[in-house]
Amino acid sequence: GQQLNQSPQSMFIQEGEDVSMNCTSSSIFNTWLWYKQDPGEGPVLLIALYKAGELTSNGRLTAQFGITRKDSFLNISASIPSDVGIYFCAGQEASSASKIIFGSGTRLSIRP
Amino acid sequence: EADIYQTPRYLVIGTGKKITLECSQTMGHDKMYWYQQDPGMELHLIHYSYGVNSTEKGDLSSESTVSRIRTEHFPLTLESARPSHTSQYLCASSGSYGFQPQHFGDGTRLSIL
Repeated sequence: GQQLNQSPQSMFIQEGEDVSMNCTSSSIFNTWLWYKQDPGEGPVLLIALYKAGELTSNGRLTAQFGITRKDSFLNISASIPSDVGIYFCAGQEASSASKIIFGSGTRLSIRP
Repeated sequence: EADIYQTPRYLVIGTGKKITLECSQTMGHDKMYWYQQDPGMELHLIHYSYGVNSTEKGDLSSESTVSRIRTEHFPLTLESARPSHTSQYLCASSGSYGFQPQHFGDGTRLSIL
């Protein structure tokens, strides 16, 4: 079935650095979502994107819906220790009603 | 923050036992979902429901079953637990109009001895 390619798989960065991660698919998506999951908890929705080219911010987080509708990226500016966790992209295919497909996640670790 | 609750949070139980994982939401969402997730790995959809008396199997085959007798409640049952069922189980719900993002509970971490 359809898969999302999320990269990088993991990142070790210095506190204060900017972070960038992305997701690509082989088919067109109507919606892109970005979630963050802390250990022992469920994913929490960070940003939802509904339109090709859309650029949306949530505090230090910025995400964009790619023009081709086959990719999305998430940027985190000036990272802080609480940004540690696993970030998942998720997308709703154009051919699907409500089901979404998840990427394999990007594990973010920060050196203080 | 979404109001979706899962119990128990952790369960360690022996092989062969019958298990029911509870999921409830107070948002009146018609759509509910169960995902299975190994630690740090991607989420796999195992069941979903678009309303009362509606249940469907997801993309990942699972020996579990679900029921949806009330809008707010979507329990998952394993008739006879096995070590291969050890995983984290996440419940989610979403609104009905158009496409709406799924909101997740905190999960049940299940260990079968």
